[in-house]
Amino acid sequence: GAGVSQSPSNKVTEKGKDVELRCDPISGHTALYWYRQRLGQGLEFLIYFQGNSAPDKSGLPSDRFSAERTGESVSTLTIQRTQQEDSAVYLCASSLGGRGGTEAFFGQGTRLTVV
Amino acid sequence: AQKITQTQPGMFVQEKEAVTLDCTYDTSDQSYGLFWYKQPSSGEMIFLIYQGSYDEQNATEGRYSLNFQKARKSANLVISASQLGDSAMYFCAMRGFTGGGNKLTFGTGTQLKVEL
Repeated sequence: GAGVSQSPSNKVTEKGKDVELRCDPISGHTALYWYRQRLGQGLEFLIYFQGNSAPDKSGLPSDRFSAERTGESVSTLTIQRTQQEDSAVYLCASSLGGRGGTEAFFGQGTRLTVV
Repeated sequence: AQKITQTQPGMFVQEKEAVTLDCTYDTSDQSYGLFWYKQPSSGEMIFLIYQGSYDEQNATEGRYSLNFQKARKSANLVISASQLGDSAMYFCAMRGFTGGGNKLTFGTGTQLKVEL
């Protein structure tokens, strides 16, 4: 596609349920990033992928959070046993990766609300 | 490790005036890139400008320029001739280029409000 696509755009879930957030990066982009943005806050790094590998998972808040990427393309962020503090916008970005100053392109985000 | 610091939570500027948004960084990487993004109230993240650590000239993109002072580890964004549409959150970010590292780290942002 022309840009980074995230689905769903909005998700309301009950506390304790699992959710899956999907990111389709720009074709050919080897680097893929997940961020969390709480209301009025900055971007909190979660994880990034280079190809299908995740060199840095340091931002994942707890073992309830996991992510995978397949085919150097689609990535899924899974949150198990959701809690109210997980409510936020989850942003995905992709870039050409490697060295160089290529900017990251962002999707529109998934707004997650845990009730 | 990388760290980006934006010390101005909020800034006001009058229309048509210039404004500088501060950004300092810390990194152990010898080679890195610095980015600025704009996030309007709609929530989208818009790339504005990029500066490489070995670039000799300060980057410029239209009304945006990056005041890069490597020794001070600062990468301030200058917006000239502010417009009402510039009102948004602005984020500074950096990416180190060592080995396989490609992590993109963001600062906490500065909320800019342009007034008539």
